[in-house]
Amino acid sequence: GQQLNQSPQSMFIQEGEDVSMNCTSSSIFNTWLWYKQDPGEGPVLLIALYKAGELTSNGRLTAQFGITRKDSFLNISASIPSDVGIYFCAGPPGDDKIIFGKGTRLHILP
Amino acid sequence: NAGVTQTPKFQVLKTGQSMTLQCAQDMNHEYMSWYRQDPGMGLRLIHYSVGAGITDQGEVPNGYNVSRSTTEDFPLRLLSAAPSQTSVYFCASSYLAAGVGEQYFGPGTRLTVT
Repeated sequence: GQQLNQSPQSMFIQEGEDVSMNCTSSSIFNTWLWYKQDPGEGPVLLIALYKAGELTSNGRLTAQFGITRKDSFLNISASIPSDVGIYFCAGPPGDDKIIFGKGTRLHILP
Repeated sequence: NAGVTQTPKFQVLKTGQSMTLQCAQDMNHEYMSWYRQDPGMGLRLIHYSVGAGITDQGEVPNGYNVSRSTTEDFPLRLLSAAPSQTSVYFCASSYLAAGVGEQYFGPGTRLTVT
């Protein structure tokens, strides 16, 4: 079946650093979504992208819908301790469901 | 609004036992879904529903049943629990008009099968 490949799998950064992660698909998506999961909680939607080339920001987070429609990128600027968690990309292979990548786990070093 | 609620929060079952994981939402969302999360595997769709009386299978439906008799509730039934069903289970809901991607998730049920 279709899969979303996220990289990197995990990141260890210093507080204040910028973060970049990406997600690729073997097929075209019409929507790209980025979720964040805090430890012990359910995922929360951060950003939804609906148009190829679209660049959308949510505070320190910026996400882009790739021109090929087969990839998306998420950047976090000036990381803070509460950014720790797992970041998932997701997309709809059809009208009635979405699939998730395996996640990028973000760690912030003291 | 309570959002999406799930009960129980934790559960331990013996192999072969059955149980129902409860999920409810108070946002009048048409779409509801169940996922399981295993370490390193992301979230995998078990079953979903686009409205009361309508359900369909996701990526990993075997061993699970669902029903949707009301808009608010979407219970997940484990018929005969197996150790492979040890996982964290999340329920989610969304408005269909917003696209099924904009989902609100519950806090999860952590299930261990011994």
